[in-house]
Amino acid sequence: AQSVTQLGSHVSVSEGALVLLRCNYSSSVPPYLFWYVQYPNQGLQLLLKYTTGATLVKGINGFEAEFKKSETSFHLTKPSAHMSDAAEYFCAVSVTLSGGYNKLIFGAGTRLAVHP
Amino acid sequence: NAGVTQTPKFQVLKTGQSMTLQCAQDMNHEYMSWYRQDPGMGLRLIHYSVGAGITDQGEVPNGYNVSRSTTEDFPLRLLSAAPSQTSVYFCASSRPGENSPLHFGNGTRLTVT
Repeated sequence: AQSVTQLGSHVSVSEGALVLLRCNYSSSVPPYLFWYVQYPNQGLQLLLKYTTGATLVKGINGFEAEFKKSETSFHLTKPSAHMSDAAEYFCAVSVTLSGGYNKLIFGAGTRLAVHP
Repeated sequence: NAGVTQTPKFQVLKTGQSMTLQCAQDMNHEYMSWYRQDPGMGLRLIHYSVGAGITDQGEVPNGYNVSRSTTEDFPLRLLSAAPSQTSVYFCASSRPGENSPLHFGNGTRLTVT
């Protein structure tokens, strides 16, 4: 069965520091992976997605993620954190159900705090 | 663009009451779904639909009903609210395809007392 594990429920960085949010997946087939961001009292917004091909995926707001099949990882990074990056981040893997619906299996989320 | 619109934003119910959470999308997406978000558990799928007239159960369907009479609308009904249904509910829509992202509404925060 496919699953996603996010290491670290809370991450705190200084403004300007590197952001690294970890995601490991379990999948018996080539995965379709996503990162979403959730700002307070809002829905989830797509940051980036991985499909087969390039291993480094660029997303919005300066975020990128690297797909490493050998490590079954899809970690999210940003070179320099900004105060506005404070939010909760979710990694997800797509699973096809009966009837063709593509369900997302989400990790538990990582809350990123950015301090001055 | 409105995207996915959910109403209400907040709701408080007493145990045993029923209510309907509304969801509408204007992107002509075939797929729609309802997820619930609980602390430390990410999002879990309640029900989904692959088109008008077609619905199916997700991981946590008990206590919820859905219907899909039009492409645009996908309401979620709580038949007899229980405290365990206190959660934040998100509606999402998407196109077919494993690499198609979900587009989420802003959520409904439900408290059952």
